[in-house]
Amino acid sequence: SQQGEEDPQALSIQEGENATMNCSYKTSINNLQWYRQNSGRGLVHLILIRSNEREKHSGRLRVTLDTSKKSSSLLITASRAADTASYFCATAPDDKLTFGTGTQLKVEL
Amino acid sequence: DAGITQSPRHKVTETGTPVTLRCHQTENHRYMYWYRQDPGHGLRLIHYSYGVKDTDKGEVSDGYSVSRSKTEDFLLTLESATSSQTSVYFCAIRPSSGGSYNSPLHFGNGTRLTVT
Repeated sequence: SQQGEEDPQALSIQEGENATMNCSYKTSINNLQWYRQNSGRGLVHLILIRSNEREKHSGRLRVTLDTSKKSSSLLITASRAADTASYFCATAPDDKLTFGTGTQLKVEL
Repeated sequence: DAGITQSPRHKVTETGTPVTLRCHQTENHRYMYWYRQDPGHGLRLIHYSYGVKDTDKGEVSDGYSVSRSKTEDFLLTLESATSSQTSVYFCAIRPSSGGSYNSPLHFGNGTRLTVT
């Protein structure tokens, strides 16, 4: 069963706009990770936020974590066509990383 | 791609035949994982390994076996392939020196398997 669930399932925006996707999870965590997957490729790690952190930035990425609500959000600012991909959150309630079902982001020119 | 090679990249096989997928890494990392990816299910863990000859089951291990006789190779075998095993299979490694289980994974580019 999925530990994390992303919302929305699909998102289409114009280049230059911001994209926000959300992740909800079920059990307590040590950290939460976000990954990107381009079509036909493996997942690539984007950012990790620890359970004692509330916000983290990496370039155009901003991740928030609310452990009281068991939720996280990933914000991509000033999106580019190259950001078109699927995005997954992942947690490890035990020693095995578990992924959500993903958000498909399409950035149109 | 962190030195991960999956082979083959594509395979079509018939129901009931055995199939072996290979994951090869060049960096001698201890932890290796096999996931399958299906629409609506995201990635689900099949088996993982924490060292040579040390493996354990994941969420969807039925119908699959694994072997790790060398650090660099992690093999996934479908003993008798079924149509429900049509999927994209991803291998991953955890480049950690033994710290948190939660450290990021590096993925290969996948094997697309079709069982007819």
